[in-house]
Amino acid sequence: GENVEQHPSTLSVQEGDSAVIKCTYSDSASNYFPWYKQELGKRPQLIIDIRSNVGEKKDQRIAVTLNKTAKHFSLHITETQPEDSAVYFCAASQNNNDMRFGAGTRLTVKP
Amino acid sequence: DTEVTQTPKHLVMGMTNKKSLKCEQHMGHRAMYWYKQKAKKPPELMFVYSYEKLSINESVPSRFSPECPNSSLLNLHLHALQPEDSALYLCASSQEPPTSRGLRPLHFGNGTRLTVT
Repeated sequence: GENVEQHPSTLSVQEGDSAVIKCTYSDSASNYFPWYKQELGKRPQLIIDIRSNVGEKKDQRIAVTLNKTAKHFSLHITETQPEDSAVYFCAASQNNNDMRFGAGTRLTVKP
Repeated sequence: DTEVTQTPKHLVMGMTNKKSLKCEQHMGHRAMYWYKQKAKKPPELMFVYSYEKLSINESVPSRFSPECPNSSLLNLHLHALQPEDSALYLCASSQEPPTSRGLRPLHFGNGTRLTVT
């Protein structure tokens, strides 16, 4: 089955700086890679997702890059704000029956 | 506001109790899921229903029993749970089949925080 590794486990940045979170996956058949943000006591919410036929996707301050050959993908947040503070989970799947989440990254944006 | 509604929000039950968690969505999604999330851990898949049929059971103990009465509802029946089953139980749904671009994001409910005493 799929195995997803996520780094770092914690990340602290100054407001306005960029944050990068990296994930690797093991199953070359995986073709869908979402990122979820979970604030304390709340549900995970999708922030961006990408399919394996696309190398990069951007939505305002958030971007995801995918290197299918190396089996790794990254989340980039630019101009971070305190409200970006949360736990971020990457995930990988071939279909939603086998979606596996990374262990999570706790991002803290200091004002 | 969440489009996936879960009840109750909190539940405390003893090890001999029987209780049920409920989930409802009206987005027309034909895939629904139960996930379990322990503190500071990622969500773990428990059950997947596709077109109201159970398609995946991730080797979950029989004290958890899912039910999908119709395409909008998903239940999780609980019986004889253990204290280690205390967790946040998340319901999710997704479009089935995926969108025309092959995207299939999960829409999570707010979860039921379960405490087993």
